[in-house]
Amino acid sequence: DVKVTQSSRYLVKRTGEKVFLECVQDMDHENMFWYRQDPGLGLRLIYFSYDVKMKEKGDIPEGYSVSREKKERFSLILESASTNQTSMYLCASSFSLAGFTDTQYFGPGTRLTVL
Amino acid sequence: AQTVTQSQPEMSVQEAETVTLSCTYDTSESDYYLFWYKQPPSRQMILVIRQEAYKQQNATENRFSVNFQKAAKSFSLKISDSQLGDAAMYFCAYRVTSGTYKYIFGTGTRLKVLA
Repeated sequence: DVKVTQSSRYLVKRTGEKVFLECVQDMDHENMFWYRQDPGLGLRLIYFSYDVKMKEKGDIPEGYSVSREKKERFSLILESASTNQTSMYLCASSFSLAGFTDTQYFGPGTRLTVL
Repeated sequence: AQTVTQSQPEMSVQEAETVTLSCTYDTSESDYYLFWYKQPPSRQMILVIRQEAYKQQNATENRFSVNFQKAAKSFSLKISDSQLGDAAMYFCAYRVTSGTYKYIFGTGTRLKVLA
């Protein structure tokens, strides 16, 4: 069965802390994505990666960085957490085959609260 | 810029009845994919249905079907014989076929199913 897992369901951090959110997929997908989900705003793309060590900025990359050292793992890093980064963070992955409708598979989400 | 608009923040439907969720999008591309994703309360987001823009035939998956109007840039989701388990947030999403891995999501419609 397809699986995308995220390291924590709930996380509480203090302003200024460095925060790591981890995502692991077991489907050998090339593409991995980090979104944040806020009420009334839907899903907004933070970063995505189409291969190991490759990354591209999404729509809202400010205040975030990412790391992809292994194909199955994609980490989101908040260098210095701020209260406006309180949100639900969703990880997703997908295949990258020509002509293949690459459905995204999502993790359960991490609800991050920054105090 | 490509955008996806879901104009109904919330909808309600009686159990066993039919409901239609609206989605419009804006793009200058001719080849793209459209998706409906479902996010049940506290559960992972899953794909409901997808449509390739080059296909004129509307996609169907059991009780779920779409009305794809390419000229009008409209992609609505019809749920027939609604069940309590259909209660969720529904997101419409768009992805161009080539040149980017980026998905664009709408802001979501919360569907309530009344017993």
